[in-house]
Amino acid sequence: GESVGLHLPTLSVQEGDNSIINCAYSNSASDYFIWYKQESGKGPQFIIDIRSNMDKRQGQRVTVLLNKTVKHLSLQIAATQPGDSAVYFCAETISGGYQKVTFGTGTKLQVIP
Amino acid sequence: DTAVSQTPKYLVTQMGNDKSIKCEQNLGHDTMYWYKQDSKKFLKIMFSYNNKELIINETVPNRFSPKSPDKAHLNLHINSLELGDSAVYFCASSQTGTGASSYEQYFGPGTRLTVT
Repeated sequence: GESVGLHLPTLSVQEGDNSIINCAYSNSASDYFIWYKQESGKGPQFIIDIRSNMDKRQGQRVTVLLNKTVKHLSLQIAATQPGDSAVYFCAETISGGYQKVTFGTGTKLQVIP
Repeated sequence: DTAVSQTPKYLVTQMGNDKSIKCEQNLGHDTMYWYKQDSKKFLKIMFSYNNKELIINETVPNRFSPKSPDKAHLNLHINSLELGDSAVYFCASSQTGTGASSYEQYFGPGTRLTVT
């Protein structure tokens, strides 16, 4: 289940199940969104991105869904594996020029073997 | 070969000291960044340089001074270190362009700074 508050939100998932990580973004002008994965002791790593003219994009075992109406983004991981355990960040930006990328607060995914 | 490297990986120092963190990327990118990640994992941009020119400067104390001697290097110097500076600092790089890849940032392994 999920826990929020002072600690990093955590999602615990059984190995082999599907994971869904949610993110609410803040800027309605943002038109490009990215998901990053950060393993313990490492820097964030790009997973998948999506432009605002799309509502779904699929990668290998991952799918990103975008709902611009409610400013919501989700990352679905199929058949979650122990190697998926990490902190996942959504990020938003406005394309064009030198716009900064703003990261969300992150969700910790724990995969239970 | 490491794409984005940072030195040192760990830095423990006392309040009031001055320290530097170095970053190098061998990806041929033209834009580099410094981020600060706090104990709650919140990742916030500090600075961004494009071809050695400062393009993003968030509300960071002027004790922090970035320097980019060339587009493959971006160093961060911190004066008069304070307890609140303790965090993990990440360097990142990207290549500007019109495609989606211009927003894909490659991060270094981080430098954990502890101020005592």
